[in-house]
Amino acid sequence: DTGVSQDPRHKITKRGQNVTFRCDPISEHNRLYWYRQTLGQGPEFLTYFQNEAQLEKSRLLSDRFSAERPKGSFSTLEIQRTEQGDSAMYLCASSLSRQLAPSFGAGTRLSVL
Amino acid sequence: AQSVSQHNHHVILSEAASLELGCNYSYGGTVNLFWYVQYPGQHLQLLLKYFSGDPLVKGIKGFEAEFIKSKFSFNLRKPSVQWSDTAEYFCAVNGGNTDKLIFGTGTRLQVFP
Repeated sequence: DTGVSQDPRHKITKRGQNVTFRCDPISEHNRLYWYRQTLGQGPEFLTYFQNEAQLEKSRLLSDRFSAERPKGSFSTLEIQRTEQGDSAMYLCASSLSRQLAPSFGAGTRLSVL
Repeated sequence: AQSVSQHNHHVILSEAASLELGCNYSYGGTVNLFWYVQYPGQHLQLLLKYFSGDPLVKGIKGFEAEFIKSKFSFNLRKPSVQWSDTAEYFCAVNGGNTDKLIFGTGTRLQVFP
């Protein structure tokens, strides 16, 4: 069990640029989640996959955000035309089943200047 | 919609004091409940979880939580805290036909020697 891996750990970008983050879940975990966390808040759900199917997406999620999990293994989260309000920690988590609590990665901290 | 309330935003204790952190959720159906901890500079880690059975759940590092269905509560307790328990604590819930976790805003615990 190597844990959930996220890359990069930090990303600084200028407003209007596109960014992409990668998440490698724990091997054989079929469920993968993306969350966003800002200072003083709990993680906010963005979207989740079961295998390669995106089963749920937050209604709060702008259409500038898109996530993929093409082969049911790693996942990418892309933010187009970044805004300063997108600055946050982006967390990925994975689990093997609903009865097993998701394991979280260390996150990607995004700063939009 | 599901939601989680953590009323204690910041708790300060001396070592050996007892701890109780409140967590209330809103959801009328069957729920799964979790407590996660985030130590400074580290990723979210699972402390304990409740799915069914005994409403008193024991977790790691001497923590326990009690599910009281009639009060929609899942409070976290520890009889004697240590300096190393300084961290942020998050309560989370999922229920119904979704796998996503809904988190509270967290409680920051500071323990002084």
